[in-house]
Amino acid sequence: AQKVTQAQTEISVVEKEDVTLDCVYETRDTTYYLFWYKQPPSGELVFLIRRNSFDEQNEISGRYSWNFQKSTSSFNFTITASQVVDSAVYFCALSKRMTTDSWGKFQFGAGTQVVVTP
Amino acid sequence: GAGVSQSPRYKVAKRGQDVALRCDPISGHVSLFWYQQALGQGPEFLTYFQNEAQLDKSGLPSDRFFAERPEGSVSTLKIQRTQQEDSAVYLCASSSGTDSYEQYFGPGTRLTVT
Repeated sequence: AQKVTQAQTEISVVEKEDVTLDCVYETRDTTYYLFWYKQPPSGELVFLIRRNSFDEQNEISGRYSWNFQKSTSSFNFTITASQVVDSAVYFCALSKRMTTDSWGKFQFGAGTQVVVTP
Repeated sequence: GAGVSQSPRYKVAKRGQDVALRCDPISGHVSLFWYQQALGQGPEFLTYFQNEAQLDKSGLPSDRFFAERPEGSVSTLKIQRTQQEDSAVYLCASSSGTDSYEQYFGPGTRLTVT
């Protein structure tokens, strides 16, 4: 069975502070994808980043960066120099293979509410 | 329209009524997913279509839930004899399928059963 745990329910920061969101996952699959999605108050899930299980290289994309450690089954996400517009619920998700050539069936964590105040 | 659209955006139903929720995926997207998101929770998988074939319906909570995608594009999620526990946001997502991993989500339909 797959499981995604986001232990932080809510994080409050002041603008320009960095925010790190924790994600721990469980899966028996050897090949899988991990994602971070953002859900602003409007409700639509917005794709942020993706990482496959074979690539543990950590990267930075603009103000976003991530730390994928397969040994500890963690996929943490950092927003640098937070802004008020970053206020949203952030979901970590694990994707498994559906067929030989398609992926999906996300297992989402419970989400972390990020509140950025001016 | 470039994104996934869903209608209606809001639906209020009395307990026992049937409802139908519509999803228009991104044109040409092969894969389509339905998720249920209860208040304060992450989305939970309901069912998956590849073109018109429903390949996985393991997440449907009961036989009152039924989904279809007859022509491989628009999909409808139907809930019969709605119950209060069905109140949630129903999200639809699509992806281009082969070798594509991101799912693009619609805005959701908020269903309230009174």
